[in-house]
Amino acid sequence: NAGVTQTPKFQVLKTGQSMTLQCAQDMNHEYMSWYRQDPGMGLRLIHYSVGAGITDQGEVPNGYNVSRSTTEDFPLRLLSAAPSQTSVYFCASSYGVTNTGELFFGEGSRLTVL
Amino acid sequence: AQSVSQHNHHVILSEAASLELGCNYSYGGTVNLFWYVQYPGQHLQLLLKYFSGDPLVKGIKGFEAEFIKSKFSFNLRKPSVQWSDTAEYFCAVNRMEYGNKLVFGAGTILRVKS
Repeated sequence: NAGVTQTPKFQVLKTGQSMTLQCAQDMNHEYMSWYRQDPGMGLRLIHYSVGAGITDQGEVPNGYNVSRSTTEDFPLRLLSAAPSQTSVYFCASSYGVTNTGELFFGEGSRLTVL
Repeated sequence: AQSVSQHNHHVILSEAASLELGCNYSYGGTVNLFWYVQYPGQHLQLLLKYFSGDPLVKGIKGFEAEFIKSKFSFNLRKPSVQWSDTAEYFCAVNRMEYGNKLVFGAGTILRVKS
């Protein structure tokens, strides 16, 4: 199994451009989520999904959209990139939606917005 | 709002030294507690977790953590560190009713000198 796969690994954008970070998991996990990691701030939850067709906001959702059309995929969209969105983004998934414990993380996507 | 505090952002130790990384959380209800590790250039992976039962939990690679409910703490320990333990360590907490939404601490960067 590949686990959680994120693409691209690196991306540079100009302010105002849009892009989509892709996330796919092959473990049949119900729960998927996106975090951003910033120095000194740990990981902060952007959006999450408890199943296909169901998404909800996390701690820092502004400027980001998500959708969950299939169990496997959970893309994160930046509609109009801003320098404040420069960060490392992690997709994570887990089997259940209630306290199953372990999140499985992708390798991260490093985004720079100029 | 629920928060997670990690006491030290950077720790430098020599090999064979003992390690203790502090973690405190602010929520008073029932929580699940985790420590994740991120080795250089890699994604986050689970070190150990506490759900209930024995407050002293053992994880991979000789790590252990102790849950002290009265102190709202979940400190990570290792009796003798190795150079390969160089990594960033994250404490994370979730509330039982919040499913898999984890709140992460800011992280502690551990450097072990050989």
